[in-house]
Amino acid sequence: KQEVTQIPAALSVPEGENLVLNCSFTDSAIYNLQWFRQDPGKGLTSLLLIQSSQREQTSGRLNASLDKSSGRSTLYIAASQPGDSATYLCAGKRSFGNEKLTFGTGTRLTIIP
Amino acid sequence: GAGVSQSPSNKVTEKGKDVELRCDPISGHTALYWYRQSLGQGLEFLIYFQGNSAPDKSGLPSDRFSAERTGGSVSTLTIQRTQQEDSAVYLCASSKVRGLQETQYFGPGTRLLVL
Repeated sequence: KQEVTQIPAALSVPEGENLVLNCSFTDSAIYNLQWFRQDPGKGLTSLLLIQSSQREQTSGRLNASLDKSSGRSTLYIAASQPGDSATYLCAGKRSFGNEKLTFGTGTRLTIIP
Repeated sequence: GAGVSQSPSNKVTEKGKDVELRCDPISGHTALYWYRQSLGQGLEFLIYFQGNSAPDKSGLPSDRFSAERTGGSVSTLTIQRTQQEDSAVYLCASSKVRGLQETQYFGPGTRLLVL
């Protein structure tokens, strides 16, 4: 059974700093991995999706990496802004045909102005 | 374009009552998912639809939970004889492309409180 862990559970950093969020998964047979953000009282917004054959994806100030052999993914946020404050969730899909996402526990990020 | 919509946005009910939660996926999306987000439990998969059929119902917690999808579009999640532990945010997602490039798009959720 796939288990996905995110550490730390909460993180506060001053505005402008670069930061890294971590995601660990137990089953290396991961098909793809997706990073989401969730704002309070809102649904999830997809940020980046990394296919199993890829090592990283970039979108603006965000860069996500995937290392299947070590069971890790990271989300790098450059030049953080107060608007980046949210809960960040990673989620893995195990295989084609097994369509459900297994979500991590989330990291609650606060950017201090 | 319009995203995934869910209704109601909030629902308060008494223990033992039945509730229906609705999801309208993005037009043209053939896959539809239901997840549940509880305090202390994280986000859990409930059921997945491809068209009108449900190949994976493995996340439904008990036989009090059921879901259907009609016309390859709208889905309804029904909880019978609600219990306090059913209180959670129920999230619906849809996607267009299966496989490596699939991105699931989420609705805002229905917040269910069972008193």
